Amino acid sequence: TQLLEQSPQFLSIQEGENLTVYCNSSSVFSSLQWYRQEPGEGPVLLVTVVTGGEVKKLKRLTFQFGDARKDSSLHITAAQTGDTGLYLCAGNQGANNLFFGTGTRLTVIP
Amino acid sequence: DTEVTQTPKHLVMGMTNKKSLKCEQHMGHRAMYWYKQKAKKPPELMFVYSYEKLSINESVPSRFSPECPNSSLLNLHLHALQPEDSALYLCASSQVTLNTEAFFGQGTRLTVV
Repeated sequence: TQLLEQSPQFLSIQEGENLTVYCNSSSVFSSLQWYRQEPGEGPVLLVTVVTGGEVKKLKRLTFQFGDARKDSSLHITAAQTGDTGLYLCAGNQGANNLFFGTGTRLTVIP
Repeated sequence: DTEVTQTPKHLVMGMTNKKSLKCEQHMGHRAMYWYKQKAKKPPELMFVYSYEKLSINESVPSRFSPECPNSSLLNLHLHALQPEDSALYLCASSQVTLNTEAFFGQGTRLTVV
């Protein structure tokens, strides 16, 4: 199991603020994904990043894969209450061994 | 159909019981996964099946026994569990690929009493 550390672990912000969540490892990954999980539900895939330095945008969410493919970040612009949830990065090393990061629990306050 | 369906949604079992969790997908995915998630923790990988063969077992105790009867179904047989095994059990499926994009079910909330 390769350790993926996320920071911060908890984040509570006001609606309209911006935030960044980090996912770091000492290992190289063939891809990194970001999932969001709500209570009592399974994780839902948000994005996959594959190429070092890649940036992907999904509406107000911007995802970046580090040049060395060891880390990733998720930036949310103008957070909304609907963004509340557990954000999980997950890494692939070889086919089909998908390991999750430690998670960031985001609360957006109205 | 992009759904992964898990049954039951909730399960309470005694430590001497035998029960099974079921998972089904019809997306043509040939990789299927079991994860265990404790409260306020990320999912932990337990097993991976690839083309109906067990490819990854993350040192899971033998009281958990996976089975993949065909490419659409995945079971997790439970026997002699302990209270600390209480958790949300998540099933997922994906293509067999280096860049896994997994689709998850809603999970089975298991309580061992």
